[in-house]
Amino acid sequence: AQTVTQSQPEMSVQEAETVTLSCTYDTSESDYYLFWYKQPPSRQMILVIRQEAYKQQNATENRFSVNFQKAAKSFSLKISDSQLGDAAMYFCAYRTGTSGSRLTFGEGTQLTVNP
Amino acid sequence: SAVISQKPSRDICQRGTSLTIQCQVDSQVTMMFWYRQQPGQSLTLIATANQGSEATYESGFVIDKFPISRPNLTFSTLTVSNMSPEDSSIYLCSVGGGETNQPQHFGDGTRLSIL
Repeated sequence: AQTVTQSQPEMSVQEAETVTLSCTYDTSESDYYLFWYKQPPSRQMILVIRQEAYKQQNATENRFSVNFQKAAKSFSLKISDSQLGDAAMYFCAYRTGTSGSRLTFGEGTQLTVNP
Repeated sequence: SAVISQKPSRDICQRGTSLTIQCQVDSQVTMMFWYRQQPGQSLTLIATANQGSEATYESGFVIDKFPISRPNLTFSTLTVSNMSPEDSSIYLCSVGGGETNQPQHFGDGTRLSIL
């Protein structure tokens, strides 16, 4: 079974600085997808960024980028120029390449942004 | 991405009662997913609901406790039956992933408290 591990229950960053959230996963599949979701106190789950395992290039979405290390099964999220609105719980998630397959989530990392 | 509406957004219920949560999508989707998020925890998949077939439940979740309906391609309900305080959680509806390159998107969730 696939597992996703986020080893940092809490992280903090100063506004305008950069922070990296860690995620590792375990799978025997070769075709899969990785995601970062953000959950602010409003509890809405918001997709931040996704990475296809077959792509070597790291995904980037504005201030958010990932460092995808397939051999190491590592998928970290870098947030640049942190903003107060980035404060939230961040979940790393995995899904196999099979159509309609379920998401497996990590335990989450609570990010605090200090002004 | 699809717009997902969940109702109610929150409720406080008495022990032993049942509550039905509705999930409405603004477009037709093949697969709908129901997740539970217990306080301070990550998301756990309850079941996958396809239109026209019985829902597929994950280990630890049973139909008698969490009956699901999927009458058409835009709507689903999850009922939490015979509630106890342990059922106090956020329940989230999710769609997407029917195609392998499509991420899942979530409704705003239902915060359920059992007294």
